Formats: sequence, C-alpha cells, structure tokens
Amino acid sequence: NAGVMQNPRHLVRRRGQEARLRCSPMKGHSHVYWYRQLPEEGLKFMVYLQKENIIDESGMPKERFSAEFPKEGPSILRIQQVVRGDSAAYFCASSPTGGASYEQYFGPGTRLTVT
Amino acid sequence: TQLLEQSPQFLSIQEGENLTVYCNSSSVFSSLQWYRQEPGEGPVLLVTVVTGGEVKKLKRLTFQFGDARKDSSLHITAAQPGDTGLYLCAGPDTGRRALTFGSGTRLQVQP
Repeated sequence: NAGVMQNPRHLVRRRGQEARLRCSPMKGHSHVYWYRQLPEEGLKFMVYLQKENIIDESGMPKERFSAEFPKEGPSILRIQQVVRGDSAAYFCASSPTGGASYEQYFGPGTRLTVT
Repeated sequence: TQLLEQSPQFLSIQEGENLTVYCNSSSVFSSLQWYRQEPGEGPVLLVTVVTGGEVKKLKRLTFQFGDARKDSSLHITAAQPGDTGLYLCAGPDTGRRALTFGSGTRLQVQP
C-alpha cells in the first residue's frame, strides 16, 4: 500500500516566483489536508479539501496561497510571489472516506526554501 | 481554537530507562492522536484514542486517554535508541477535521 506521496521533496524558489506543491493521497482516501511547519514551530493546519471542493480554508493566508484537489490528479498547493517567510516544510495528509475518517496519515513533506 | 500543551519539551535519557510524556488541554477532544516525527520526514501515526479512560498498547509504548478526554499520556518502557524522535499529540478542533498539534516532546535515547 503506497502511502501519501508528495513532490517535490525539496524546492528552492527565488523571491517573487511561484511554488507548486503536489500531494497524492493514500488509495481509498478522499480527504486531503495541508499543514505547514515553520522552523522550530509546530504543525499548523492550512486547508482541508475533498475532490473538487474546499471544505475548510480557515488556516490559509488570504493572499498568495491557493489549493485545489481536482477530480483527476493530485492535490496542489500553490504559493504565488513567494517571500522568505514562506520557507517551511509543507505536509499533506489524507484520511479515509469512511470508518476512522478522523485519522490522518501524513506524507514526507516538501521543504520549500525561498532565497 | 483548542490548545494542546506537551511536556516535557525535551527529554534525554539512557537506553533501558522508562519515561512518560504528557499532552494536556483545557478543552475536551473527541479523539487524540499520537505521532512520531523524525528529522526530514513527516509525522507517522502511532495510535488514536477515542474513549475516555482508554488505554492502548503498542509494544513498549502505552497510551492513555484521560477520563474527561482533556489529556493523554505516552509511557515508554525500556527505551531504545530507535525511540528517538519528536512525539506529537494532535486532536481535531470541535466540529472540524483540522488537527491542532501540540508543540511536541523531543526525545533522545542514548545508547
């Protein structure tokens, strides 16, 4: 069983560029979550999506950040015009459609560095 | 937003010792999850506790959920160097799926 997959694992962007982070949930999981972990800080929720729907984006900055989970393909977290403060580890998690749907399984993360 | 506080923040012990780490809140959680995270990797789910007073065992790890579902503990018996890592507790905010994470306990087990 493949786990949650994220790519790229490491991403370097210059200030002002765009960053695109991809996440493929575990097989059988239709709920996707994005979290951010700043250096020396805890994990903070950003957004929760189901296929073609954003369910909860209360943790996502209002500007420059967007997320989608299309009918086909991976979930994408997009950061436009990146700034140095966006440097962090971004984790995607997924949870099952039924059963223990509150259990979230995390991917290995994408480490974004803004230079 | 519900808060989770973990203690201690850091713990360095010798192989073979026992230890307990704590996760506390003033809020009630419908469930709590414990994760372990190693450097450069994502958190790995260890266990979920759902019922107040519940005790779950995973080899040398024992997890307990408080009766009032406001706190949890993780006890490790005869710690080994492979137990080294960041231990995180997390729980869903009321009525939401978003997880609130504690700041973690960083455990180092010396051989």
